[in-house]
Amino acid sequence: QKEVEQNSGPLSVPEGAIASLNCTYSDRVSQSFFWYRQYSGKSPELIMSIYSNGDKEDGRFTAQLNKASQYVSLLIRDSQPSDSATYLCAVRPGTASKLTFGTGTRLQVTL
Amino acid sequence: KAGVTQTPRYLIKTRGQQVTLSCSPISGHRSVSWYQQTPGQGLQFLFEYFSETQRNKGNFPGRFSGRQFSNSRSEMNVSTLELGDSALYLCASSTDGGQGYGYTFGSGTRLTVV
Repeated sequence: QKEVEQNSGPLSVPEGAIASLNCTYSDRVSQSFFWYRQYSGKSPELIMSIYSNGDKEDGRFTAQLNKASQYVSLLIRDSQPSDSATYLCAVRPGTASKLTFGTGTRLQVTL
Repeated sequence: KAGVTQTPRYLIKTRGQQVTLSCSPISGHRSVSWYQQTPGQGLQFLFEYFSETQRNKGNFPGRFSGRQFSNSRSEMNVSTLELGDSALYLCASSTDGGQGYGYTFGSGTRLTVV
């Protein structure tokens, strides 16, 4: 079982819709969770972090964490073509300081 | 505030050669991590340095090594290059690499081994 799993996609959503990206992780004692966005040919950039169960909102982005289900998700409201990118879920397992990344979900926002 | 700087941006090397990649973290960041990114494997953790000490190491062969200097700049070395080492090598820095901190990535070094 991979430490961090994501559906590779592509996930295709129309402009203006809500995009829902999901991630599961295997280490039950993981404490920190991050979402990165990576445009083609660019490096990943941090867009959200979440540490507690529940929702965390930042503009059009909402991160959701459910530690009991070992599940973290990212919702993008009012999706725009500029949101088309690969979204990487990252988890800090246990007490380690390193981040473990999923392989990413490619999001396509269509006009 | 300057970001994470990686040099060079592109490299072409021949099998069997060695290569050194450089990373300058954001000023004040003491943790530097290195990742290898390939289309099939995604981001694979290589190692993390904090205050000149290697704090974590991934599952890569000993041909991959690194170090960190007193000014937090880090270098990564790959010896006896293989075709499979062709990848984007990303450096990331954070303030202390502790639990609550995400990384800021550099633009990466794209290594092609021929």
